Amino acid sequence: DTGVSQDPRHKITKRGQNVTFRCDPISEHNRLYWYRQTLGQGPEFLTYFQNEAQLEKSRLLSDRFSAERPKGSFSTLEIQRTEQGDSAMYLCASSHAWTGGNQPQHFGDGTRLSIL
Amino acid sequence: GIQVEQSPPDLILQEGANSTLRCNFSDSVNNLQWFHQNPWGQLINLFYIPSGTKQNGRLSATTVATERYSLLYISSSQTTDSGVYFCAVEGDQGGKLIFGQGTELSVKP
Repeated sequence: DTGVSQDPRHKITKRGQNVTFRCDPISEHNRLYWYRQTLGQGPEFLTYFQNEAQLEKSRLLSDRFSAERPKGSFSTLEIQRTEQGDSAMYLCASSHAWTGGNQPQHFGDGTRLSIL
Repeated sequence: GIQVEQSPPDLILQEGANSTLRCNFSDSVNNLQWFHQNPWGQLINLFYIPSGTKQNGRLSATTVATERYSLLYISSSQTTDSGVYFCAVEGDQGGKLIFGQGTELSVKP
């Protein structure tokens, strides 16, 4: 049973550059979530998908951020014109949702973004 | 939105000691999960426990949904238990998890 996979594990880039992260969920999971975690804080929700549909976006997700899940499998999170404040750990999670409720979310190891 | 508060914020234990971590939440929830974030940043699922009591080895958890709190018990602590423990809840509208600020546990040999 492979878990949630995220790529890359680390990304260092200069302010103003664009970055893209990838998440591959657990294969039978229909929901995929993105969270952001800064030092000393708990993860904060960014957005989530059920299959291809993006069902909710946090107000934390400014217009520089975009997420896609084109075929209902893997997802990408893009940050355009990166800023110092974007430095954080970006976590992806997946779960299986059904009419009776939502099963537990399982997290990947995250992508640590550092903006120089 | 739902508020999640964890206590204590920090805890230092001698190896072999027991501890109780608490999570209070401000509204009714569909789901509650406990996680351990290890020093490498990995979030490990401990319990999925919207109500009732569960045990897994030296760890157990109890959620009293009607009183809006959950407890995580760690018995006979080991140095490998060190890290940050997070409680996270899913509200009535479903979907996202809302995390508490965590309890940072340090177990000394």
